[in-house]
Amino acid sequence: AQSVAQPEDQVNVAEGNPLTVKCTYSVSGNPYLFWYVQYPNRGLQFLLKYITGDNLVKGSYGFEAEFNKSQTSFHLKKPSALVSDSALYFCAVRDLKAAGNKLTFGGGTRVLVKP
Amino acid sequence: GAGVSQTPSNKVTEKGKYVELRCDPISGHTALYWYRQSLGQGPEFLIYFQGTGAADDSGLPNDRFFAVRPEGSVSTLKIQRTERGDSAVYLCASRQTGTSSPNEQFFGPGTRLTVL
Repeated sequence: AQSVAQPEDQVNVAEGNPLTVKCTYSVSGNPYLFWYVQYPNRGLQFLLKYITGDNLVKGSYGFEAEFNKSQTSFHLKKPSALVSDSALYFCAVRDLKAAGNKLTFGGGTRVLVKP
Repeated sequence: GAGVSQTPSNKVTEKGKYVELRCDPISGHTALYWYRQSLGQGPEFLIYFQGTGAADDSGLPNDRFFAVRPEGSVSTLKIQRTERGDSAVYLCASRQTGTSSPNEQFFGPGTRLTVL
């Protein structure tokens, strides 16, 4: 079975400071990993994905994430946070060995960027 | 281009009633997914269609839930004898297939279902 853990319910950061949102995963095979962001009353928006290759993945809005196989982590990062980055962030995994193509999501981390 | 659309955006019903939720995927996307997101939680997988057929329905919680995609485009999620515990946001997503790189799922805005 595949699973995702986001250990922090909320992350508070001052505008201009670096932002990190943590994610760890568990799969039986190789993972595909994704980050999505959700603004109030809106659907999930894709930020970035790791499929294979370079462990550092760059995505939308200045976000990046680092795949670490030994630590089974895929933390989301942004060097300088903006107030507009305040939202709910979800990490998701797809297990290549599992049947079907479903994504398993973490519980989400609320990011609050203060001016 | 148009994204994934879902109707209605909000649905309030009474316990025991039947509801239908509609999803229009991105044109040309053959893969379609339904998820359910309860308050304060991440989305949970319900069912996955590849074309017209349900390739994986392992996430449907019980036989009150059913989904169809008769022409391989629009999908309808049907819930019979609704219960208060069915209250959630139901998300639809679609994905392009047939390419060499596995693609991300694109999500609609969701239907917020409230069962009174």
